[in-house]
Amino acid sequence: EVQLVESGGGLVQPGGSLRLSCAASGFTVSSNYMSWVRQAPGKGLEWVSVIYSGGSTYYADSVKGRFTISRDNSKNTLYLQMNSLRAEDTAVYYCARTTLPDRVFDYWGQGTLVTVSS
Amino acid sequence: IQLTQSPSFLSASVGDRVTITCRASQGISSYLAWYQQKPGKAPKLLIYAASTLQSGVPSRFSGSGSGTEFTLTISSLQPEDFATYYCQQLNSYPITFGQGTRLEIK
Repeated sequence: EVQLVESGGGLVQPGGSLRLSCAASGFTVSSNYMSWVRQAPGKGLEWVSVIYSGGSTYYADSVKGRFTISRDNSKNTLYLQMNSLRAEDTAVYYCARTTLPDRVFDYWGQGTLVTVSS
Repeated sequence: IQLTQSPSFLSASVGDRVTITCRASQGISSYLAWYQQKPGKAPKLLIYAASTLQSGVPSRFSGSGSGTEFTLTISSLQPEDFATYYCQQLNSYPITFGQGTRLEIK
């Protein structure tokens, strides 16, 4: 059974850093495209980043230069390193498996809440 | 690429047929997906490639369209269908979502 479990969210001050984790089971993270999507409170969905099976990465303009997506193949885990956090980064962050060839998000984690506030 | 869903809010009754439209600011071929999200839950994939039903999704859901205009149709609303629906384009980065359509019980 495919499962994704996010962790690492919490309260952080503006300008601070946080690393989110997404532990996968039932499939191999490194063989798939994996994405992060966020949802601000009461708002819609916003794509954040993707990492390809080959290692290429892409980011939304709103996080480029501040966030880094990566994975640990030995732990079958996806990460999102978030630096220089801003109030507008406050959201529930979801990881999602991205299936080929259509690149849709077929499995999602339950989400982890990041709150950026002083 | 901007996606505009209409309506943003829809009130309907069990058994109704409803249609949600998603318009893209430029052509995206058939690289469009639809998701359903219930409060406090992660989105669930319903349809991809504009009209392909994801495994396990009831056949009352259907999608159509290509280019810039797409529709999601629910043929006969069931109580569990009341949720928020999002379209998503996968034609090019950045991947974008529509603003959502909230479907509520009349």
